[in-house]
Amino acid sequence: SYELTQPPSVSVSPGQTARITCSGDALPKKYAYWYQQKSGQAPVLVIYEDSKRPSGIPERFSGSSSGTMATLTISGAQVEDEADYYCYSTDSSGNHRGVFGGGTKLTVL
Amino acid sequence: QVQLQESGPGLVKPSQTLSLTCTVSGGSISSGSYYWSWIRQPAGKGLEWIGRIYTSGSTNYNPSLKSRVTISVDTSKNQFSLKLSSVTAADTAVYYCAREGYSGYDSYYFDYWGQGTLVTVSS
Repeated sequence: SYELTQPPSVSVSPGQTARITCSGDALPKKYAYWYQQKSGQAPVLVIYEDSKRPSGIPERFSGSSSGTMATLTISGAQVEDEADYYCYSTDSSGNHRGVFGGGTKLTVL
Repeated sequence: QVQLQESGPGLVKPSQTLSLTCTVSGGSISSGSYYWSWIRQPAGKGLEWIGRIYTSGSTNYNPSLKSRVTISVDTSKNQFSLKLSSVTAADTAVYYCAREGYSGYDSYYFDYWGQGTLVTVSS
C-alpha cells in the first residue's frame, strides 16, 4: 500500500534552519500538507498545497515540493516549534485514500 | 469559528462496536464543499486516516479498515458518526474528528479538528 516516508527525528539548535522531508511516489501528482502536533494536542495545519501558509502561521514555516519529495522548512526554529510534524497526502490508486507520513519529532535545543 | 467535539464511550469491549459522534458548531455541516472525517492515533504512535463523508452521503474509507468502518452524517443534528465493528486492543487510540477541504488534484486537507477522545478496547 502507498506510504509517505519521513525521518523519525530532526534536531536543531534555536535559530537554526530545520528541514523535514516527506517522500512518496504520488507527490508529483498530489499536494502535500504539513501538520504540527504538540504533546497532548490536536494537529494544526502549518502548510497546505505544498507551499502555502495558513493565516496565523509564522512566516518561518515554509514548504516546497519537487518530484517525489516534499519538504517543510522552519527558518530560525524556535523552542516553541518543538513538536511532531506529519505530512499528509492522497494515494494514487483512485480510492481517494488519505495517507499520513510516519511523523518526525523535531527537537529544538 | 467552526468547532468540532467528539463524544462516545471511552471503554469498549473486544469484539463489540465502537461508536463515536462528532458535533459541529459554528457553522452548518451542509454548507460549503467540505468533507467530514475521522482520524485516530494510538498512544505514542502516528496518525491514521480512517475515512471521510460528504454531506451527500458519499464516503471514502481506509482500505485497511473498510470492512469494519461505517461513517454516517445527520445534517438535522449537525453531526457525523463513526462505527467500527469487531474491535480489538489494536483499535485503542485517540480518535479525532475533523473538517476536510478539497484542494483539487484529488488532494484534501484538514482545517478544523476536534480535541480528540480516547477509546480503550478492553474487557
